[in-house]
This record gives sequence, C-alpha cells and structure tokens, in this order.
Amino acid sequence: KAGVTQTPRYLIKTRGQQVTLSCSPISGHRSVSWYQQTPGQGLQFLFEYFSETQRNKGNFPGRFSGRQFSNSRSEMNVSTLELGDSALYLCASGWRDYGYTFGSGTRLTVV
Amino acid sequence: SQQGEEDPQALSIQEGENATMNCSYKTSINNLQWYRQNSGRGLVHLILIRSNEREKHSGRLRVTLDTSKKSSSLLITASRAADTASYFCATDEGQAGTALIFGKGTTLSVSS
Repeated sequence: KAGVTQTPRYLIKTRGQQVTLSCSPISGHRSVSWYQQTPGQGLQFLFEYFSETQRNKGNFPGRFSGRQFSNSRSEMNVSTLELGDSALYLCASGWRDYGYTFGSGTRLTVV
Repeated sequence: SQQGEEDPQALSIQEGENATMNCSYKTSINNLQWYRQNSGRGLVHLILIRSNEREKHSGRLRVTLDTSKKSSSLLITASRAADTASYFCATDEGQAGTALIFGKGTTLSVSS
C-alpha cells in the first residue's frame, strides 16, 4: 500500500512568487491535513480537507490556501511568498482516532 | 497555538538504556499520539492512547496518560542508535476539530 506522496521534495522560490505543493494521500483515505514546520514555531496546523471540502483551518494568513480534488489528492498554494514561509510542509492522511500517516514533506526555501 | 509541551527538550543516552519523555497539554482531549521524526523528514506515527486509557504498550514503547494532570509519558526501553530522532506528542482539540496540535518535541540521541 503506497504511503502519502508529496511533490516536489525541494523548492527554492524568490520573495513575492507563489508556489503550489501537491499531496496524494493513501489510497482510500479521504482526509488530507497540511502542516508547516519551522525551527521557531514548530509544527503548526494549516488546514484539513475531507471529500473536497475544507473542514478545518489553522491560524494562517489568507496567502495560504488549498484544495482537494475528487481523487482525494490535495494541493496547497502560498502566494506572495515571504522569507518566513521557508519551512518543511507536511501533509498527512488518516483518521483522528487511529493516527495519521505523513508524507516526507516539501522543503520550501524562500530567498 | 501549542498544546503539548515535551520535556526534556533534548536527551542523550547510551545504547541499552531507557529513554523517558514527558508531554503536558492544556485542554481536554479525545486522544494523544506520539510521533517520531528523523532528520527533518516526515513524521512516523508511533502510538495513540485514548483519553479513557491509562497505559498502552507497543513493542519497546510504553505510553502512559494521566488526564487529571494533563500529561503523558513515552518510555523507550533498551534504546538503540536507530532510535535517535525527535519525538513529538500531539493532541486533538477535544471537540469537533480534527487538527493535531504538536508540542516542540524532544530530541533523543542514542550513542553506541
């Protein structure tokens, strides 16, 4: 059973640009959650999608958005990138009551 | 917002020794989970303990939960060099929310 797949693994972008990250959950999983990990703030919840609907959202500015497709694959988009957006972005699929499987993450560097 | 807070922040032990990490949280929970992360890669789910459970075992892992003190501990017995990683506790919001709230983590270093 394939795990959670995130692409790309690494990205370097310039301030002001936008970026799109992709996440394919484990087959059969309908929920995808996104997290940002930085040395200063640790792991912070961005948002969760379930059956193409955003079900929960963390405390991030509107520059951070996402969507989920009918095949459960999810994308997150960050517009007008800032240096502080440099982070490891992780997505996860699973169920709250059983635990989540995380992808290997996308390392975003904003220069 | 941070929910779980791990203690200690860093722990260095020898192979064969036991490692204990503690986690405290602030609000009511449905369950508490522990994850491991190797060198900035993805998180690996280790164990989940529900709010009505007090202790749970999985291989060399033992987790306890004290809801009256809002705390949990993770014990890794007979540590190996391969256990070197960061360990995070995570809680749900205890309500309808499905987000996991993570602590800052404990960095465990096991030397041979």
